[in-house]
Amino acid sequence: DTGVSQDPRHKITKRGQNVTFRCDPISEHNRLYWYRQTLGQGPEFLTYFQNEAQLEKSRLLSDRFSAERPKGSFSTLEIQRTEQGDSAMYLCASSSDYYNEQFFGPGTRLTVL
Amino acid sequence: DAKTTQPPSMDCAEGRAANLPCNHSTISGNEYVYWYRQIHSQGPQYIIHGLKNNETNEMASLIITEDRKSSTLILPHATLRDTAVYYCIVRVAVETSGSRLTFGEGTQLTVNP
Repeated sequence: DTGVSQDPRHKITKRGQNVTFRCDPISEHNRLYWYRQTLGQGPEFLTYFQNEAQLEKSRLLSDRFSAERPKGSFSTLEIQRTEQGDSAMYLCASSSDYYNEQFFGPGTRLTVL
Repeated sequence: DAKTTQPPSMDCAEGRAANLPCNHSTISGNEYVYWYRQIHSQGPQYIIHGLKNNETNEMASLIITEDRKSSTLILPHATLRDTAVYYCIVRVAVETSGSRLTFGEGTQLTVNP
């Protein structure tokens, strides 16, 4: 257990539905990252927060995706109008200004039917 | 971030040293070499990182060549629990940016009894 938690761990939804995932980082970490991982591939960066500010977004993050970190603590990732191509593991990681490592949560596995 | 090249798979006998190579011939002077691993169905786990000197911690040793164009991660006494995908990543220091991790496809290490 790295101290980063994600909820839910698994989500099955029908195409066109909206889903929301939550990430709780390590409490003293001010940096938070979202990644997506499809089968057989390494994780791909989606977006990054420093405190509550979203400082970087990947081109992978289409208009259907939105991420927030309203109080600089937990974060949510919402996918609207899900598509089958959104099926993946969604990983959250956190880090601080003083350590060079990112701590990853266990991920949320999304299956879109 | 510089691109890395790793063999897709390797095998190792339990109790023996596992030596995982990585090529990063386009690495810049301010880029570090990081290693993460991902055990099946878990989030990635930080192992070790270095700039130009060899590094050792409780998990592994990192050997970086003098020209910094390649490195080797050494697990001195591999166990079955070390079976995982190992990712070599090159990135700038976190202090200078949000510094996303750019994962390749990694090396699938299988430790055999």
